[in-house]
Amino acid sequence: SAVISQKPSRDICQRGTSLTIQCQVDSQVTMMFWYRQQPGQSLTLIATANQGSEATYESGFVIDKFPISRPNLTFSTLTVSNMSPEDSSIYLCSVPRDRNTGELFFGEGSRLTVL
Amino acid sequence: KQEVTQIPAALSVPEGENLVLNCSFTDSAIYNLQWFRQDPGKGLTSLLLIQSSQREQTSGRLNASLDKSSGRSTLYIAASQPGDSATYLCAVGSYQKVTFGIGTKLQVIP
Repeated sequence: SAVISQKPSRDICQRGTSLTIQCQVDSQVTMMFWYRQQPGQSLTLIATANQGSEATYESGFVIDKFPISRPNLTFSTLTVSNMSPEDSSIYLCSVPRDRNTGELFFGEGSRLTVL
Repeated sequence: KQEVTQIPAALSVPEGENLVLNCSFTDSAIYNLQWFRQDPGKGLTSLLLIQSSQREQTSGRLNASLDKSSGRSTLYIAASQPGDSATYLCAVGSYQKVTFGIGTKLQVIP
């Protein structure tokens, strides 16, 4: 199984600031996914991070608010920009373990609280 | 649009009891179904993956079944332990996206 490390594991941020979350995978993967889990809600896909090209954003999520980098096949960052209390969530990085089965593995998550 | 529902939302059982968690989905054209465990404030741990061509998968005390025609999956946990206390999420994969349920919060009482 893939080992996925996320940093920070949690943070408390002030309104209007930005925070960058890092995701490191122990093997090369083509696609990396960023999810958001708001309190009491299910996971929602923010975007797919593609190496060498722009990230693909889901409906309701825009690059200005959630810029993503993917400099190589083992690393990605998600920035939450100009944060408001509504951005308080767990942000999760995910990779497919096996392209054939589609099984997903997740990092430990980054729990953000915006005051 | 795929919708995933998990019932019950919360469940409390005494240690040692066998239990069943339910997941239902509206679109039977699925690729796979995956069960996860999530501890409070943490990421998701994959428990079992069932491919669309399979009917069930087993791992230790866990058994997951899939009935595509009725749009249902169950996760059976045998001889529950306090360490099983967590939220269990069901994720249904289609060829375009993965849809998650909100989860069932399980508490196993010693």
